[in-house]
Amino acid sequence: KAGVTQTPRYLIKTRGQQVTLSCSPISGHRSVSWYQQTPGQGLQFLFEYFSETQRNKGNFPGRFSGRQFSNSRSEMNVSTLELGDSALYLCASSLWGGTSSSTDTQYFGPGTRLTVL
Amino acid sequence: DQQVKQNSPSLSVQEGRISILNCDYTNSMFDYFLWYKKYPAEGPTFLISISSIKDKNEDGRFTVFLNKSAKHLSLHIVPSQPGDSAVYFCAASASGTYKYIFGTGTRLKVLA
Repeated sequence: KAGVTQTPRYLIKTRGQQVTLSCSPISGHRSVSWYQQTPGQGLQFLFEYFSETQRNKGNFPGRFSGRQFSNSRSEMNVSTLELGDSALYLCASSLWGGTSSSTDTQYFGPGTRLTVL
Repeated sequence: DQQVKQNSPSLSVQEGRISILNCDYTNSMFDYFLWYKKYPAEGPTFLISISSIKDKNEDGRFTVFLNKSAKHLSLHIVPSQPGDSAVYFCAASASGTYKYIFGTGTRLKVLA
């Protein structure tokens, strides 16, 4: 079974530009979550989607947005990039997104490394 | 507001000895806890989890202990192996929130 895939793996942008990152979940998984990882901050939750609906959102500005398609693939978009947006962006998928069960574990992709110059 | 804290950024342990990684949380609504391991250039991989109705869960060399009254959990690795060298994240969730809150990670180095 193929794992979670994220594209692109590396991206360099300049301030003010926008970027779109893509995530393909494990086949059969309907929940997709996005996280931002920066040094010293750990993984910060961005948002979670299930059946094309955003069910929860982290404490990030409106420049960060996402969506999920009917095949469960997800994209996240960051507009008007700032230097502080440089980070590793991780996507994780699970069957239902239930976060209180060992039968619904989140599996992470390798991440997209975004550098903003 | 860091609801999940890993106060030790790094830990070094000799091969064959026990590694103990600690995690504290502040939100009493958290009812499920996990540990993930992360190697450079890879996404985190799930290690072990524990529900708040338990105080211990074991899987091979890995054991997680939960002390609800102290809002503290720990991961024990026995015996530690060089391949265990990685960054370990603890995470917590509350039912119905559809999100995990992660700590900042502890870098474990197992010395051969």
